[in-house]
Amino acid sequence: DTGVSQNPRHKITKRGQNVTFRCDPISEHNRLYWYRQTLGQGPEFLTYFQNEAQLEKSRLLSDRFSAERPKGSFSTLEIQRTEQGDSAMYLCASSPRDRGGYEQYFGPGTRLTVT
Amino acid sequence: LAKTTQPISMDSYEGQEVNITCSHNNIATNDYITWYQQFPSQGPRFIIQGYKTKVTNEVASLFIPADRKSSTLSLPRVSLSDTAVYYCLAIFNKFYFGSGTKLNVKP
Repeated sequence: DTGVSQNPRHKITKRGQNVTFRCDPISEHNRLYWYRQTLGQGPEFLTYFQNEAQLEKSRLLSDRFSAERPKGSFSTLEIQRTEQGDSAMYLCASSPRDRGGYEQYFGPGTRLTVT
Repeated sequence: LAKTTQPISMDSYEGQEVNITCSHNNIATNDYITWYQQFPSQGPRFIIQGYKTKVTNEVASLFIPADRKSSTLSLPRVSLSDTAVYYCLAIFNKFYFGSGTKLNVKP
């Protein structure tokens, strides 16, 4: 039983560079979510997909952020022109078809540090 | 603007029952209440979910009153390994997690 996996686990980049993270959900989970979490705060919703369709997108997700889920399987989150304020843990979660999004399974996260 | 409200922290001792309350005044009719547990440097882990009245599983119970404006997570006989942050998630308006309650279980 493989859980949600995220790669890379850690990423250090310089301000202004682009970064891309990958999330592989639990197989056959049709919903996939991206969150951002900073130290001492709860996960902050960014966006979610049902299959390949991006159904919700937070207003916090500026135009420098983009997410895709081609073919409804893995997903990528790209941040362009990174800023120091983007430093955070980026979490991915998936949920099964019959759970309505309430029961989410989280990956270990990708910790981004922008220097 | 916060959608859910929880105590920032709680202390308990091993073997005690712990109750953590979450306020969600604007919950919608079709929304569910879900609780998650998070250890440092890990993603949150699903604990329990419910719509109304009481739900119980092998690790916790969830109590939701008739007006559904609050909910209480009950952890029976906590151990040191239950020290974590607990989040109440009201499934409305983009899966808002809230600030969480840091539970510290002492020996």
